[in-house]
Amino acid sequence: EIVLTQSPGTLSLSPGERATLSCRASQFFNSDYLAWYQQKPGQAPRLLIYGASTRATGIPDRFSGSGSGTDFTLTISRLEPEDFAVYYCQQYGYSAWTFGQGTMVEIK
Amino acid sequence: EVQLVESGGGLVQPGGSLRLSCAASGFTFSSYAMHWVRQAPGKGLEYVSAISSNGGSTYYANSVKGRFTISRDKSKNTLYLQMGSLRSEDMAVYYCARAQGGTGTANEYWGQGTLVTVSS
Repeated sequence: EIVLTQSPGTLSLSPGERATLSCRASQFFNSDYLAWYQQKPGQAPRLLIYGASTRATGIPDRFSGSGSGTDFTLTISRLEPEDFAVYYCQQYGYSAWTFGQGTMVEIK
Repeated sequence: EVQLVESGGGLVQPGGSLRLSCAASGFTFSSYAMHWVRQAPGKGLEYVSAISSNGGSTYYANSVKGRFTISRDKSKNTLYLQMGSLRSEDMAVYYCARAQGGTGTANEYWGQGTLVTVSS
């Protein structure tokens, strides 16, 4: 099973700042199968990025994904008030799906 | 508009059983893989089970293998999760999610979840 480790656990930033979230895998896998989700309190997760770098429908271009192999990054170029939430990475290939433990982006 | 509506959650005793349902609408149900993902109170997301678009292939997390069964009914546009031998660690909000396509694609749409409480 591929284990995903996200860092940092919590990111304290102000609106307008840049957020960089990391997701590291325990073994190499195809970046076609890496996704990022956003979850706000009391809500279901929302797909942001799939295939490591492709934005899902309706996702603003301030969200971008990058990486390959074992290291992946989600970047939010300028934080808007609605972006403060928990973010999860997920690998979804190889007939097994795992999530990272999440990174909370909180208002500083 | 794609809609996924879960139901069937509730309070169950340890060792008991429960069947969750997910009513799908707004898309061709038989064309997409479907998933169950859960979230324990205050915790992160955990994959539970997946089923291919035609129901011919099913997948389970090790934590539920042998206790849970995923299925789908094309005539009712409904996804199911039959849960048995429930444990306290199964207590969570259970989400159904539709894949972008086959089982090797991301979870594009999610329901609002149904809460399963396991307690005596």
